[in-house]
Amino acid sequence: DAGVIQSPRHEVTEMGQEVTLRCKPISGHDYLFWYRQTMMRGLELLIYFNNNVPIDDSGMPEDRFSAKMPNASFSTLKIQPSEPRDSAVYFCASSRGQTRKYEQYFGPGTRLTVT
Amino acid sequence: GESVGLHLPTLSVQEGDNSIINCAYSNSASDYFIWYKQESGKGPQFIIDIRSNMDKRQGQRVTVLLNKTVKHLSLQIAATQPGDSAVYFCAENGSGNTGKLIFGQGTTLQVKP
Repeated sequence: DAGVIQSPRHEVTEMGQEVTLRCKPISGHDYLFWYRQTMMRGLELLIYFNNNVPIDDSGMPEDRFSAKMPNASFSTLKIQPSEPRDSAVYFCASSRGQTRKYEQYFGPGTRLTVT
Repeated sequence: GESVGLHLPTLSVQEGDNSIINCAYSNSASDYFIWYKQESGKGPQFIIDIRSNMDKRQGQRVTVLLNKTVKHLSLQIAATQPGDSAVYFCAENGSGNTGKLIFGQGTTLQVKP
């Protein structure tokens, strides 16, 4: 199994630009999570999906952030417009089913730098 | 100027010694706990989990202990190796059967050769 795949691995952009982060969960997993990790705040859950449906987006910082999951094998996290304080490592994670839904497997992350 | 970040506790051990990493969890309704290992530049990696109906679970070189009375979790690593150097996070599932995990702030483990 290839594990959770994220792209790009690194993104450098200027303030005000749109940024799109991509995630392919592990095949067969029906939960998908987006996290943000910073030195200031640690690992924060932004939003998660179950069967492609957003369940809880209470961690999304503000309207500049949006996430979609058009199908079971793809999700995007978009920031528009980006700001320097959005600089962080963004992780996608996935898990499977009801009995193992807490066993989350993380991707390698996207390191975002907004200048 | 400099930014102030989280000050992660650090555990420094000699190679070959046993390591014990501690975690206090927050929600008494949590019934599932996981330990993750995060190496520099990588995503958190699942190590071991434990359910609240157990107080101990063993894996390969790792043991997790759960004390629900004081809401305490520990990860023991036997014969610590340089490859064990990483940040270790405990996570709990909280209440509501949601699928979400609540992560602790993490502990840095440094293994001295």
